[in-house]
Amino acid sequence: SQQGEEDPQALSIQEGENATMNCSYKTSINNLQWYRQNSGRGLVHLILIRSNEREKHSGRLRVTLDTSKKSSSLLITASRAADTASYFCATDGIDYGQNFVFGPGTRLSVLP
Amino acid sequence: GAVVSQHPSRVICKSGTSVKIECRSLDFQATTMFWYRQFPKQSLMLMATSNEGSKATYEQGVEKDKFLINHASLTLSTLTVTSAHPEDSSFYICSARAGVSNTEAFFGQGTRLTVV
Repeated sequence: SQQGEEDPQALSIQEGENATMNCSYKTSINNLQWYRQNSGRGLVHLILIRSNEREKHSGRLRVTLDTSKKSSSLLITASRAADTASYFCATDGIDYGQNFVFGPGTRLSVLP
Repeated sequence: GAVVSQHPSRVICKSGTSVKIECRSLDFQATTMFWYRQFPKQSLMLMATSNEGSKATYEQGVEKDKFLINHASLTLSTLTVTSAHPEDSSFYICSARAGVSNTEAFFGQGTRLTVV
């Protein structure tokens, strides 16, 4: 199975609400990264969090990392319709060398 | 952020023909490039990893003779889908990064391949 597993797989919220997505992984990692993908487009890098970091912020995004639980969360505050996209976590694992392994993604729909 | 240019964005080809997809890092030297395949509403599946000047490392189940990868320079990698069949129709995405680890990867915009 894949290294990163996001949940929920689909999330629908109203504009202005917060959206939380979770990612779990199985092996030791160097870092974990969150990406966004609009339908049929390439990926946009959001945040990289290293294994020795616990929390990072970027604008309306907040990422946490709990290496003891092998999990990460992405919080989008005050969501907008333009945040509608798929969000993926990717782990840069010690065991996987230079490869990124992506989870199945969370499809976020923000309703106006 | 750094820019990775992938070309073409869309291509339609006939069964049996070959298609080449280019991935260029425009403002940095990419020591490593990755090629992914994505089916509708699914995640990205790593196909292969290529380092400049050496043979690509293919993931299990990916046919190296069908998906030819060339990483001839630090700014260019190509994926050639040989003798394409309709089941090869998919979204292909490349990514590149300059470092080994603890650096972000930059992604191309993807190529939608349709084999008819």
